[in-house]
Amino acid sequence: QVQLVESGGGLVKPGGSLRLSCAASGFTFSDYYMSWIRQAPGKGLEWVSYISSSSSYANYADSVKGRFTISRDNAKNSLDLQMNSLRAEDTAVYYCVRGTREPSTWGQGTLVTVSS
Amino acid sequence: DVVMTQSPLSLPVTLGQPASISCRSSESLVYSDGNTYLNWFQQRPGQSPRRLIYKVSNRDSGVPDRFSGSGSGTDFTLKITRVEAEDVGVYYCMQGTHWPPYTFGQGTKLEIK
Repeated sequence: QVQLVESGGGLVKPGGSLRLSCAASGFTFSDYYMSWIRQAPGKGLEWVSYISSSSSYANYADSVKGRFTISRDNAKNSLDLQMNSLRAEDTAVYYCVRGTREPSTWGQGTLVTVSS
Repeated sequence: DVVMTQSPLSLPVTLGQPASISCRSSESLVYSDGNTYLNWFQQRPGQSPRRLIYKVSNRDSGVPDRFSGSGSGTDFTLKITRVEAEDVGVYYCMQGTHWPPYTFGQGTKLEIK
């Protein structure tokens, strides 16, 4: 079955960095655009970034542009999100998601907490 | 950004009764390919979101047929014909037509009365 498993979350100080990873299985990873979507504690959903199937292009929400970088390794069926210059408002559960316009499958999420 | 406005934000429903959630977008969601990328998600307590409906009215595999989506342009609706206990959670609409960014509604919390 289709499965997405995130890892890499944790507690980080403001201004710090963190790298999230997502391991995909159960489908042909290289066929799909992939995305990161986040949810602040007790809040709604916010799109963060997506990347094309071949890594030819990526897009970012204005709130993270210039600080976050999405990447993928189709040989390893993995998706990453490098997060730099983290702020308190980046505190959220980060979901790895298959697809963009019609996001179909979500991972269980990994919690990122930015606090001093 | 395209703003997605859901109503109501809180929806108490008696078991077995119908429920309806409205979602309105600040711009038309018809994309240049002719498709309308409007999705509905269910998030049960403590779980990740699960897609129920895509392209306005297409139900995902495994989603009970008591769930249905309808609408066009800027006005969309999710309906549940008979609410069951397992339907408790927060429902989100999401547009995948306009970037940046794709956007979600605020969420509608469905609870059993």
